Amino acid sequence: EVQLLESGGGLVQPGGSLSLSCAASGFTFSDYAMNWVRQAPGKGLEWVSGISVSGSSTYYADSVKGRFSISRDNSKNTLYLQMNNLRVDDTAMYYCARAGIEVITTAPVDYWGQGTLITVSS
Amino acid sequence: DIVMTQSPDSLAVSLGERATINCKSSQSVLYSSHNKNYLAWYQQKPGQTPNLLIYWASTRESGVPDRFSGSGSGTDFTLTISSLQAEDVAVYYCQQYYTTPLTFGGGTRVEIK
Repeated sequence: EVQLLESGGGLVQPGGSLSLSCAASGFTFSDYAMNWVRQAPGKGLEWVSGISVSGSSTYYADSVKGRFSISRDNSKNTLYLQMNNLRVDDTAMYYCARAGIEVITTAPVDYWGQGTLITVSS
Repeated sequence: DIVMTQSPDSLAVSLGERATINCKSSQSVLYSSHNKNYLAWYQQKPGQTPNLLIYWASTRESGVPDRFSGSGSGTDFTLTISSLQAEDVAVYYCQQYYTTPLTFGGGTRVEIK
């Protein structure tokens, strides 16, 4: 059974930093590209960042480019998101999301974690 | 960036009736060499994570009831629920995965009339 378990969420002040992790299990992690997708309270889905199977290629939404950094450790089956210079409008549930086609980075999301809530507030 | 525009924002349909949701992309998401549309539909029920319904614009994900169907090509797409059931109450999103940044439509809320 595919499982994605996020951790690292919480309350942070504007300008602060936070690091998210996503522990993957139930599939060969190194065969799939991965993404972070967020959802602000009561709002729609917003793709944040994606990473290729090897980690050599990374992609970002304009809204987080230069502030967030995605990475992965295939030996630990773990995806990461380092978030710096956080803003109030970064407040959202952050989902770890698997790209649903092996190897392909641009693919629909076939599995989602339960999410971790980030609240940016003073 | 490819902008995805859904319509309507919400709709109320009687049980057993058809629900139709539209999605328009600001540029074509048809990869002509593959003849595939890089378009997916998701369902998000209240309090739950999104669930993949349709990919390649018209291919149902495993386990998705056949009352859900996707159609369209290029820039115009439709999700149809042929006979609305109570458990279909949800917000539905389209998404293009043709290129990064991957982008979602704003969502369509489906309710029972």
